[in-house]
Amino acid sequence: DGGITQSPKYLFRKEGQNVTLSCEQNLNHDAMYWYRQDPGQGLRLIYYSQIVNDFQKGDIAEGYSVSREKKESFPLTVTSAQKNPTAFYLCASSMRQTNIQYFGAGTRLSVL
Amino acid sequence: SQKIEQNSEALNIQEGKTATLTCNYTNYSPAYLQWYRQDPGRGPVFLLLIRENEKEKRKERLKVTFDTTLKQSLFHITASQPADSATYLCALDGGNNNDMRFGAGTRLTVKP
Repeated sequence: DGGITQSPKYLFRKEGQNVTLSCEQNLNHDAMYWYRQDPGQGLRLIYYSQIVNDFQKGDIAEGYSVSREKKESFPLTVTSAQKNPTAFYLCASSMRQTNIQYFGAGTRLSVL
Repeated sequence: SQKIEQNSEALNIQEGKTATLTCNYTNYSPAYLQWYRQDPGRGPVFLLLIRENEKEKRKERLKVTFDTTLKQSLFHITASQPADSATYLCALDGGNNNDMRFGAGTRLTVKP
């Protein structure tokens, strides 16, 4: 099946811990994105990448880090500097010619 | 600052009626406007895209209008069904990969 796979579906973070959310796509899309979704708010862009080995900060990048070593993969690390990490995290990809976003099923992160 | 407002947080209608959802925006000049459907605990799914020079777009029971003067898009679902119950998000697209802005969504419930 073609698409975007996010794992894990649920994740718990302890105080002071870094956690990494996985995102893999087999759509051969150039661009990939990470969004955060909180109740009653629109999706907010954390980081995006248009090509391998290059990525840019979105609106709320503080406390997060990413890498893009392969076209298919765009993992997000939620660092201990992110003081309010509880949210639903969505990964997406799009083709270069269009900005239509294809989303994964999401990862729900909670703090223990 | 850029602002996107979707008319109401929740909309309840009777099966068979037409659902109309509103997306208003300020301080933005989108090249495209997109609509997505999101089911609970899932990622959004793309439905329709309308360009700034298009007034109306249709796809099966869905219709989208785009008025750049009013800075408003209307999203219609005709002959609504309980299976149409979901949250619908509008997204403004400036035409660059980093220039998408999502609304908070309207939760539609279609009652049998």
